[in-house]
Amino acid sequence: ETGVTQTPRHLVMGMTNKKSLKCEQHLGHNAMYWYKQSAKKPLELMFVYSLEERVENNSVPSRFSPECPNSSHLFLHLHTLQPEDSALYLCASSQEAPRADYGSPLHFGNGTRLTVT
Amino acid sequence: QQQVKQSPQSLIVQKGGISIINCAYENTAFDYFPWYQQFPGKGPALLIAIRPDVSEKKEGRFTISFNKSAKQFSLHIMDSQPGDSATYFCAAREVGNEKLTFGTGTRLTIIP
Repeated sequence: ETGVTQTPRHLVMGMTNKKSLKCEQHLGHNAMYWYKQSAKKPLELMFVYSLEERVENNSVPSRFSPECPNSSHLFLHLHTLQPEDSALYLCASSQEAPRADYGSPLHFGNGTRLTVT
Repeated sequence: QQQVKQSPQSLIVQKGGISIINCAYENTAFDYFPWYQQFPGKGPALLIAIRPDVSEKKEGRFTISFNKSAKQFSLHIMDSQPGDSATYFCAAREVGNEKLTFGTGTRLTIIP
């Protein structure tokens, strides 16, 4: 396994379901991210974990709950979602450097296509 | 408020032609400008990036042109090939900030 792996690739869930998205990175990076990709909109940063600590939460509704148990794994727990939450959810990782540096580029997984019915 | 504006939304170019995608930004604290390429069913992948201390960066058929005073940067794909058909995203980032701000994307189609 190389790079960033996301499972499942596709997920269909009802509004009352609870499900989780999983991400695993094999690059030795120290930061992981969740992005939401919707048609004709910029990629939206949802959460950032740096050194397993959440450093960013972009006003994401509480029905999305991230978990980062270690530097290689990231989860996104979903519950009582709305149809407008249907989108491609992308996980990414990078090696963050100290301030005044650019760190490494983001490495994305292939995403989970989520459909909320 | 969209901090990075990308155009056009879609682009069709004949094989062998030059594809040009433009981005404009407002935040003068941005100091790193990458372009990402995304194929259907795949996540975005870094294609090429530039810092504002240079006005141009070239890697093979891909060139970024950067105009700091105009706060604009563009991606040029020379000798465009059908395999270049993908969605391209520009982005911008502040030094020391993990957050990348993305454009809305351009769907590029290269026709034979």
